[in-house]
Amino acid sequence: NAGVTQTPKFQVLKTGQSMTLQCAQDMNHEYMSWYRQDPGMGLRLIHYSVGAGITDQGEVPNGYNVSRSTTEDFPLRLLSAAPSQTSVYFCASSYGAGGHNEQFFGPGTRLTVL
Amino acid sequence: LAKTTQPISMDSYEGQEVNITCSHNNIATNDYITWYQQFPSQGPRFIIQGYKTKVTNEVASLFIPADRKSSTLSLPRVSLSDTAVYYCLVGDRWSYNTDKLIFGTGTRLQVFP
Repeated sequence: NAGVTQTPKFQVLKTGQSMTLQCAQDMNHEYMSWYRQDPGMGLRLIHYSVGAGITDQGEVPNGYNVSRSTTEDFPLRLLSAAPSQTSVYFCASSYGAGGHNEQFFGPGTRLTVL
Repeated sequence: LAKTTQPISMDSYEGQEVNITCSHNNIATNDYITWYQQFPSQGPRFIIQGYKTKVTNEVASLFIPADRKSSTLSLPRVSLSDTAVYYCLVGDRWSYNTDKLIFGTGTRLQVFP
């Protein structure tokens, strides 16, 4: 099992550019989520999905879009990057939603928006 | 909704036992308590989970008093490699409420030689 994989590891964008952060898991988990982590801060939930075709907003969804067409993949799209979106992005998956379920995290994508 | 409160940071020395307490006054009957560990430049990883009393695994122990309004993560004989941020989460199996999935700022543990 590869677990949760994220690509790319690093990315530099200019303001206004768009890009997609990829996340995939091979554990057949229903629940997937995206977090961002700013320096010295905890993780903030951006979007989550409780299964293929179902997504919902977390704490800080503005500026980000998601879709979930398959169980394995949960890409995060930045439509028009802004410097405020400079952060480290983590994707996570778990068997189910809710705080009881162990979440497995990917290695993260470090994004810089100039 | 069970909001958690933890100390922002703690310092320790190698070989000492470290106890990190998390307050969760509004914990619900069906809520479990879960702790995660995050090393620099890595995603968090699960350490331990419990519902009441005491749970122990190869990494840590978790103490939960009868009223369950707090919990204490205990790391025996820490080493430099235990330097990390530790997050306490409270949530139940069935809830899709995103408040259950919020990690907060955690406790930054620094272990010195």
